[in-house]
Amino acid sequence: GDSVTQMEGPVTLSEEAFLTINCTYTATGYPSLFWYVQYPGEGLQLLLKATKADDKGSNKGFEATYRKETTSFHLEKGSVQVSDSAVYFCALLTQGGSEKLVFGKGTKLTVNP
Amino acid sequence: NAGVMQNPRHLVRRRGQEARLRCSPMKGHSHVYWYRQLPEEGLKFMVYLQKENIIDESGMPKERFSAEFPKEGPSILRIQQVVRGDSAAYFCASSLGGAGYGYTFGSGTRLTVV
Repeated sequence: GDSVTQMEGPVTLSEEAFLTINCTYTATGYPSLFWYVQYPGEGLQLLLKATKADDKGSNKGFEATYRKETTSFHLEKGSVQVSDSAVYFCALLTQGGSEKLVFGKGTKLTVNP
Repeated sequence: NAGVMQNPRHLVRRRGQEARLRCSPMKGHSHVYWYRQLPEEGLKFMVYLQKENIIDESGMPKERFSAEFPKEGPSILRIQQVVRGDSAAYFCASSLGGAGYGYTFGSGTRLTVV
């Protein structure tokens, strides 16, 4: 079945450091891909998405490019802030039958001042 | 326009009791999804409902768990005879016309079984 694999956390960075969170997927066809962010005690919020190969999703300084050849959708940010501390989830939208989101296990990011 | 409303935010139940979790989707959304988040785990799909219909319950445990989304009122996730392993955060999401339109998540219900 469809699945998403994220890099193991936790990730701890200093403010203004460069962030990469790796995400790869296994799916039939070319699913839409998403990054969600979860702040402590809250639900998930959509961060960015890409619907086809070579698309780049971006929001709030975060970017991710849909790479069909490597089945990847890595999240990057050039300069993280303390307020970026959260758990980040990569997800894909299943195709065929009932569409639903399949999530990775999440990567906890802590940014220290 | 209120977002997805889940209640209660926190629920404590003793083993063997019933837990009822409620989810009111965003106005105009007729598709509801329930997910469970266990400690240190990602979100696991449980069930997908439209008004009065269960579309996909492939992620629901076969026993003790049920879900409904009636014509009027919120969607309900019901867990009978709760056990400690049911302790988790349960999230509801809604969408306008299916997952391809994008999900809006609620803040979740944190169930603790003592």
